[in-house]
Amino acid sequence: AQKITQTQPGMFVQEKEAVTLDCTYDTSDQSYGLFWYKQPSSGEMIFLIYQGSYDEQNATEGRYSLNFQKARKSANLVISASQLGDSAMYFCAMSNAGGTSYGKLTFGQGTILTVHP
Amino acid sequence: EAGVTQFPSHSVIEKGQTVTLRCDPISGHDNLYWYRRVMGKEIKFLLHFVKESKQDESGMPNNRFLAERTGGTYSTLKVQPAELEDSGVYFCASSQGHDDYEQYFGPGTRLTVT
Repeated sequence: AQKITQTQPGMFVQEKEAVTLDCTYDTSDQSYGLFWYKQPSSGEMIFLIYQGSYDEQNATEGRYSLNFQKARKSANLVISASQLGDSAMYFCAMSNAGGTSYGKLTFGQGTILTVHP
Repeated sequence: EAGVTQFPSHSVIEKGQTVTLRCDPISGHDNLYWYRRVMGKEIKFLLHFVKESKQDESGMPNNRFLAERTGGTYSTLKVQPAELEDSGVYFCASSQGHDDYEQYFGPGTRLTVT
């Protein structure tokens, strides 16, 4: 079974600073994917970034980067130059890459990020 | 291109009643997923359709929940009869093919059972 743990219920950051949101995972699968989603107060889930378990380089998407440390089973999200619009709930998730349950996402509890001006 | 849509956005029903949630995935997306977030808990997977077939329904909580995907297009999730613990936000997501990892989520349906 897969498990995602986000240990930070809430995080605060000053505008324009960088922030790291923690995520650790547990799986017995060799091939899997790691995701981060953003959920603003409006409720929709917005895909941010993806990292495959066999990708050697950390994924980056604009101001978002995923700090993937496979041996430690961690997939932290780094947001650089925080903006007020980054205030939202952030979910870490994982899926396995094959078998009948491909695509099925397992989510963490979420971290509420608040960006202060 | 229209995104994933869900209807209704909010539903309030009494315990014992029936509710049907609808999801329209992005056109051409074979994969359709249902997830649920009960208050204060993680978002949990319910089931996965590939076209009109159920690929994985391991997350369906019990037989009060029935999901269908007519002709591989839109999907419905019926709860009958609804119980208090069914309250939460029900999300639908879709992705294009087997190798497409990005799931596009709908805005969710907030279900309140009183």
